[in-house]
Amino acid sequence: QVQLQESGPGLVKPSETLSLTCTVSGGSISNYYWGWIRQPPGKGLEWIGYIYYSGSTKYNPSFKSRVSISVDTSKNQFSLNLSSVTAADTAVYYCARSHGWYYFDHWGQGTLVTVSS
Amino acid sequence: EIVLTQSPGTLSLSPGERATLSCRASQSVSSSYLAWYQQKPGQAPRLLIYAASSRATDIPDRFSGSGSGTDFTLTISRLEPEDFAVYYCQQYGSSPWTFGQGTKVEIK
Repeated sequence: QVQLQESGPGLVKPSETLSLTCTVSGGSISNYYWGWIRQPPGKGLEWIGYIYYSGSTKYNPSFKSRVSISVDTSKNQFSLNLSSVTAADTAVYYCARSHGWYYFDHWGQGTLVTVSS
Repeated sequence: EIVLTQSPGTLSLSPGERATLSCRASQSVSSSYLAWYQQKPGQAPRLLIYAASSRATDIPDRFSGSGSGTDFTLTISRLEPEDFAVYYCQQYGSSPWTFGQGTKVEIK
């Protein structure tokens, strides 16, 4: 059974870059699509973007040029960078395996990132 | 961007009752590319339904999805105690993929 685990700082200062890594275990990162989704406290879900193991990406335009997702197949990991963060980026960030560029069938437990000085 | 509106916001029901949750899209969702997720407090969402009506792996058959175009429904035929949670719909037919705001199913 594939498992995903997010890791990274729980506190980021405004205007800095939020960086998170998702480690995949119980299966290979190859031949699958992987995504990031976030959930502000007490609110709904927002899709951030996807990456295919080959490196192809697809992003939510609402994040404009602030977001980048990368993959390291040798470590079975993929990562999220979100630049120029503000308090509005405070959320639980989930990594997930995607079925194609579509829906998410396996999720990490999520990690809370707070943007504050 | 397709906006998904879920109703009702909260559904108060008793175990054993039938739950009917609605997800309405601001424009047609192509190929019925709609999924449903269940989320319990402090947990990640869990995939229940994809392609509007296909149950995900290990999902009990009391969960069923239906609909097409702009109107979709998640039905829980008989509520079990573990089904009380928040449910989200997600469309993946038109980028950016979007989620509804959620329906909370609470114990009456």
